[in-house]
Amino acid sequence: AQRVTQPEKLLSVFKGAPVELKCNYSYSGSPELFWYVQYSRQRLQLLLRHISRESIKGFTADLNKGETSFHLKKPFAQEEDSAMYYCALSAGGTSYGKLTFGQGTILTVHP
Amino acid sequence: DAGVTQSPTHLIKTRGQQVTLRCSPKSGHDTVSWYQQALGQGPQFIFQYYEEEERQRGNFPDRFSGHQFPNYSSELNVNALLLGDSALYLCASSLVSSETQYFGPGTRLLVL
Repeated sequence: AQRVTQPEKLLSVFKGAPVELKCNYSYSGSPELFWYVQYSRQRLQLLLRHISRESIKGFTADLNKGETSFHLKKPFAQEEDSAMYYCALSAGGTSYGKLTFGQGTILTVHP
Repeated sequence: DAGVTQSPTHLIKTRGQQVTLRCSPKSGHDTVSWYQQALGQGPQFIFQYYEEEERQRGNFPDRFSGHQFPNYSSELNVNALLLGDSALYLCASSLVSSETQYFGPGTRLLVL
């Protein structure tokens, strides 16, 4: 079975500082990885997916199959980045469409 | 397009009762997934519907059942409610050909 671990429940940084939200997964196959974000009083929304290899709102994430990680990074954090971030995995194949989420990390960016 | 909509927004039930939650997918989407999110946890997959059939199921008991209608909207039914069923229930829609899911605002269920 697949599992997603986000080791930090809370992460605080100052505006302009780099930020890295950690995500580790366990799955023996080739997963598809996602980062979802939930801003205050808004619904959960897709931030980025590894297969598209794009940068959204300055965030990037690289899939490291050797370390089974998919950490989310941004070189200069902004106050509007404060939100709950979830890493999610789809195993594909017979589990296509089933997302397995981590417990989430609350990011707070201080002015 | 209002995106994914869910009703009701909040619900209070007592143990043993039954509840039905509703979801309308984003325009053009044909697949609906349901998730349970307990307080302080990430969403947990319940099941997914496509072409009015359950396509995938997570590790939830048979008390949790669903339905998808010809217009792609969906219902989640929970029978014999337990205190532990108190959670935020999220609906997500997608195209069957895509892994990208769009979430609704959720229905918060409280079981007393």
